Amino acid sequence: AIQMTQSPSSLSASVGDRVTITCRASQGIKNDLGWYQQKPGKAPKLLIYTTSYLQSGVPSRFSGSGSGTDFTLTISSLQPEDFATYYCLQDYDYPLTFGQGTKVEIK
Amino acid sequence: QVQLQESGPGLVKPSETLSLTCTVSDGSISNYYWTWIRQPPGKGLEWIGYIHYSGNTIYNPSLRSRVTMSLDPSKNEFSLKLSSVTAADTAVYFCARRVATKPIYCFDSWGPGIQVTVSS
Repeated sequence: AIQMTQSPSSLSASVGDRVTITCRASQGIKNDLGWYQQKPGKAPKLLIYTTSYLQSGVPSRFSGSGSGTDFTLTISSLQPEDFATYYCLQDYDYPLTFGQGTKVEIK
Repeated sequence: QVQLQESGPGLVKPSETLSLTCTVSDGSISNYYWTWIRQPPGKGLEWIGYIHYSGNTIYNPSLRSRVTMSLDPSKNEFSLKLSSVTAADTAVYFCARRVATKPIYCFDSWGPGIQVTVSS
């Protein structure tokens, strides 16, 4: 199975900060990567698919980039509603696998 | 906007079979892959598998021997059965819709999740 490793596992940031989360795949996955946001007690929500395409309704402060094995989710200016856990997901090969998550907390 | 809702017992005894249903509303069950994902308490997300409208299934190898998925188009719902459960199967179970229209692959709609506890 393809292993997805996110870093950092957690981070503390302030409103207005630029935040970057990295996801590394154990083998190349082309650009078949998505990012999901999960708040406590809620289902994950799709933010970005196919590495860099913003899901409809998702604010433009979220962006994704990368290819092959290294991918990045960037929040250009962190807002109060962005404090959550973020997961990457590779959709290139079975079994589909998620990263372990990155918890974004308030500094 | 399509909506998904999980239903089923919240408590299952060890060695028994966990059975969940996901009802799809405000959208057709056609032409998508219908997925189950779970999340143990305090942990990350695990893909269990999915079933296509055609009936084709793909399961996670780690669970394949215990998983069965089915789909009922007449009721616009799909189901998960997980046999021989243990405490390790305690988790929140989510159903989700997978879009797989090249080059778009993603889970674009999710149910709210259902807590299932395995305990005697």
